[in-house]
Amino acid sequence: GESVGLHLPTLSVQEGDNSIINCAYSNSASDYFIWYKQESGKGPQFIIDIRSNMDKRQGQRVTVLLNKTVKHLSLQIAATQPGDSAVYFCAESPHNTDKLIFGTGTRLQVFP
Amino acid sequence: DSGVTQTPKHLITATGQRVTLRCSPRSGDLSVYWYQQSLDQGLQFLIQYYNGEERAKGNILERFSAQQFPDLHSELNLSSLELGDSALYFCASNGGQGRSEQFFGPGTRLTVL
Repeated sequence: GESVGLHLPTLSVQEGDNSIINCAYSNSASDYFIWYKQESGKGPQFIIDIRSNMDKRQGQRVTVLLNKTVKHLSLQIAATQPGDSAVYFCAESPHNTDKLIFGTGTRLQVFP
Repeated sequence: DSGVTQTPKHLITATGQRVTLRCSPRSGDLSVYWYQQSLDQGLQFLIQYYNGEERAKGNILERFSAQQFPDLHSELNLSSLELGDSALYFCASNGGQGRSEQFFGPGTRLTVL
């Protein structure tokens, strides 16, 4: 399940460091946001979501920050592990729809 | 394992042909979504069904159609195939009541020669 390959931005981090993946969304009417992880050969896997009435949400080792003023979303991964290596997608969902509009993705590479 | 199944895993066919991709949602999920993932377009929403009815349409070509059956499985039909239709096709499902995470299947890789 390789995702967008040729022009994917890549973030390289050392094992144990924190990772921050950024995403700009386009639609001011979007009120639901979600991060997915896609490993090679697999479908996207849910990481964390956030609604527009919040600006921060934490999960296990992950935090999502939402800045509606500048339409920016970020995913923070604490103590990055080799198993975190994958392509990460943010997605937005406009108000009154269920569809997800995906960003282009960021490849995260974790080195020892 | 997301609980969403898709068949076939791989499909190789020729231009001009027609194929059918199948998706079984997670048990209890009423909504099914289809997405196309290609190298130059990323993940694109195609269409959503909820309990047998079309609910939302995205960038789906007229050559493509879908349906959801009474047992809630869904099929995506692609006809008059072109080289540019080569892509990964994902199905996702959720309960369909309000926004929540969509659970993705493993995808069908379509290659049009």
